[in-house]
Amino acid sequence: AQKVTQAQTEISVVEKEDVTLDCVYETRDTTYYLFWYKQPPSGELVFLIRRNSFDEQNEISGRYSWNFQKSTSSFNFTITASQVVDSAVYFCALIPARGGTSYGKLTFGQGTILTVHP
Amino acid sequence: NAGVTQTPKFQVLKTGQSMTLQCAQDMNHNSMYWYRQDPGMGLRLIYYSASEGTTDKGEVPNGYNVSRLNKREFSLRLESAAPSQTSVYFCASSGPGTVSYEQYFGPGTRLTVT
Repeated sequence: AQKVTQAQTEISVVEKEDVTLDCVYETRDTTYYLFWYKQPPSGELVFLIRRNSFDEQNEISGRYSWNFQKSTSSFNFTITASQVVDSAVYFCALIPARGGTSYGKLTFGQGTILTVHP
Repeated sequence: NAGVTQTPKFQVLKTGQSMTLQCAQDMNHNSMYWYRQDPGMGLRLIYYSASEGTTDKGEVPNGYNVSRLNKREFSLRLESAAPSQTSVYFCASSGPGTVSYEQYFGPGTRLTVT
């Protein structure tokens, strides 16, 4: 079985602050993919990033950066200089890459509600 | 290119009624999925179809059935709706190969069962 935990239920920051969203996962699979999705108030789910379990390089995309540490089973997401438009629910998710009973099953964390105040 | 579309957007059912949620994708993806989203619980997988002609249960399949009609369409049926099935339902697809690709989601269907 696999599990994704986002310990922060809600985070509130003021615009221009940096904020890190934590994600910790559990899986018995040796090969897996990790994802982050954003769900703005409009309700749709927007894909942000996919990370292969073999690739521990950090990734930066504009104000977004991701820190993957296999040793601690964590895949944290940092927003630098947050903006009001970043206000959303953010989900971390995991899917096994090979066969087995969990194959094809994307498991989501509970989500972190981020509110950025002007 | 519409991506993933879902119908209807909103639905109110009475307990015991049946209905089918429709989903279609135009991205030539092999895999399709149905999730439900409840407050504080994130998204939970109901059923998925790794490829045309196959379906498998997810985390919460009870009370639901699915049909992979063709490569584009994947429907979710509630045979006898219950208040516990009040939720927001999302369809998603991924591809072109294995299920490990990122999933793209439809806009969701908000279902209320009274």
